[in-house]
Amino acid sequence: AQKITQTQPGMFVQEKEAVTLDCTYDTSDPSYGLFWYKQPSSGEMIFLIYQGSYDQQNATEGRYSLNFQKARKSANLVISASQLGDSAMYFCAMSESGTSYGKLTFGQGTILTVHP
Amino acid sequence: DSGVTQTPKHLITATGQRVTLRCSPRSGDLSVYWYQQSLDQGLQFLIQYYNGEERAKGNILERFSAQQFPDLHSELNLSSLELGDSALYFCASSVGRGGSGELFFGEGSRLTVL
Repeated sequence: AQKITQTQPGMFVQEKEAVTLDCTYDTSDPSYGLFWYKQPSSGEMIFLIYQGSYDQQNATEGRYSLNFQKARKSANLVISASQLGDSAMYFCAMSESGTSYGKLTFGQGTILTVHP
Repeated sequence: DSGVTQTPKHLITATGQRVTLRCSPRSGDLSVYWYQQSLDQGLQFLIQYYNGEERAKGNILERFSAQQFPDLHSELNLSSLELGDSALYFCASSVGRGGSGELFFGEGSRLTVL
């Protein structure tokens, strides 16, 4: 069974600094996808970044990058130049191949607080 | 705005009652997914429909059912509601049955069972 672990219940960062949110995963499937979503206090789920298991390069989307270390089964999210609006819950998620890539397994989330 | 529309946004009801949550996917998306977010269980996949057919099933209770209609909108029916069913229910959509790339989530329907 797939499992996603986010070991940081909460993280604090100063505005304009970079922050890394940790995510480790466990799967026996050679083909999988890794996602990061942001959930602000308003509740909606906002897609940030995706990494496929066969992608050679780390994914980047603007200020977001995914530090993918396949051998260590980690998929950490790096947010550069943090902004106050980055304060939110962040979820790491994994999809499985075969039936549905949309069947995501989510971690428990990390609450990020950005201080001015 | 993700393009996925969920109604109602908030719903308060009593134990034992039945409710229906509605989801309109993004234009052109054939797959609809339902997720439940609760304090004790976190975010859990419930069920997926692709072009009207059930595609994948997760931890969905027997008291819950879903369907996707020919116009691709989907409904999640929750019956014999219990206090523990109080949660935020998300609908998400994607273009195909799966494949890489993002799911587009709606803003959720917050259900409170009293």
